Amino acid sequence: EVVMTQSPGTLSVHPQDRATLSCTASQDIGSNLAWYQQKPGQPPRLLIYDTSIRATDIPARFSGSRSGTEFTLAIDSLQTDDPAVYYCQQYDDWSPITFGQGTRLEIK
Amino acid sequence: HLQASGSVLANPSGTLSLTCTVSGADIRDSSWNWIRQPPGKGLEWIGSISHTGNTNYNPSLKPRVTLSINTWKTQFSLELTSVTAADTALYYCATSLRSSPSYMDTWGQGSLVTVSS
Repeated sequence: EVVMTQSPGTLSVHPQDRATLSCTASQDIGSNLAWYQQKPGQPPRLLIYDTSIRATDIPARFSGSRSGTEFTLAIDSLQTDDPAVYYCQQYDDWSPITFGQGTRLEIK
Repeated sequence: HLQASGSVLANPSGTLSLTCTVSGADIRDSSWNWIRQPPGKGLEWIGSISHTGNTNYNPSLKPRVTLSINTWKTQFSLELTSVTAADTALYYCATSLRSSPSYMDTWGQGSLVTVSS
């Protein structure tokens, strides 16, 4: 099983600043990584897939990148609507598809 | 649009059954997933089924899980047997545009299932 480890557990950022969230895979997963945003009482919302492709209607403030098995979600110019839990998910292998444990993003 | 319905309360050692109804999309495209989230916790992929009925399951749940699809009714279903309190969770259905292992591009609102006597 591919283990996805997200850091930090909680991130507090000032409005208009940049937030950087990390996700590390326990083995090579290529670029088969997605990021989701989940707000309280809502299902996850797809932000990024294939490491760096923004999903439909996702603003350019959200970007994804990769260095080896380390993946990063960057959120520029943090808005008051951005606080949420962010999850990464690998889909390189069926056995099984796995998610990270989540990073809670807060606004200072 | 995806809407899950079914068991709200399941008895310990009993069976949990959920159905996801698809509207506004062709169930013959893509693959269809179940993911669950225990209260206050993270996401766990349960399994996926293609429109042809090809299934992939999380090995940790595979002995207890069955996914099925009914293209005529544009529905796909989850059955989880021998449930315990650890199966209490919000159960989501979601679509994937690819038949290979994939991300989930559209999610339903989720259906809360509680396992309790």
